[in-house]
Amino acid sequence: AQTVTQSQPEMSVQEAETVTLSCTYDTSESDYYLFWYKQPPSRQMILVIRQEAYKQQNATENRFSVNFQKAAKSFSLKISDSQLGDAAMYFCAFLAFGNEKLTFGTGTRLTIIP
Amino acid sequence: EAGVTQSPTHLIKTRGQQATLRCSPISGHTSVYWYQQALGLGLQFLLWYDEGEERNRGNFPPRFSGRQFPNYSSELNVNALELEDSALYLCASSLGLFQETQYFGPGTRLLVL
Repeated sequence: AQTVTQSQPEMSVQEAETVTLSCTYDTSESDYYLFWYKQPPSRQMILVIRQEAYKQQNATENRFSVNFQKAAKSFSLKISDSQLGDAAMYFCAFLAFGNEKLTFGTGTRLTIIP
Repeated sequence: EAGVTQSPTHLIKTRGQQATLRCSPISGHTSVYWYQQALGLGLQFLLWYDEGEERNRGNFPPRFSGRQFPNYSSELNVNALELEDSALYLCASSLGLFQETQYFGPGTRLLVL
């Protein structure tokens, strides 16, 4: 079974600054995917970024990037130039290839300070 | 392109009743997933349907069931509702088997009184 741990229940950052959200996971699988989803107060879960475990290069999507450390089983999310619209609950999630079941962490609530 | 849609947005039931939640996937997606987001329990996988078949289910009692229709839309049924079934139920869809990225709908908030 897989586990996903987000050790920061809450984080805050000044608008336009950079913030990093942490995520660690535990698995015996060799082929898997990692995701960051955000859930604003509207409740809709929105995909932020995904990383294939077989890729060494860290994924990047505009202001969002990850630091994927496979040996350490770490998958952190960096948000650059934070904007008010980034305020949300952020969930780290794991999916083993062929399993099709997302395992989520407990989430980090991100507050943006104007 | 329309995203995943769910209905109703809110549902209020009393203990012992049955609830039916509906989900329409993104056009072209054949897999539908159901997750429960309950206070204090986080997001938990419920069910996965692909091409009309139930492919996997999470650690939930049999009173949680569902089906997928030929047009790939899906229904989640919860029988004999209990107070602890109160939660946000999220539906997601993907392109199908081994297509790993799941896209979520806005959810249905179920309140059991």
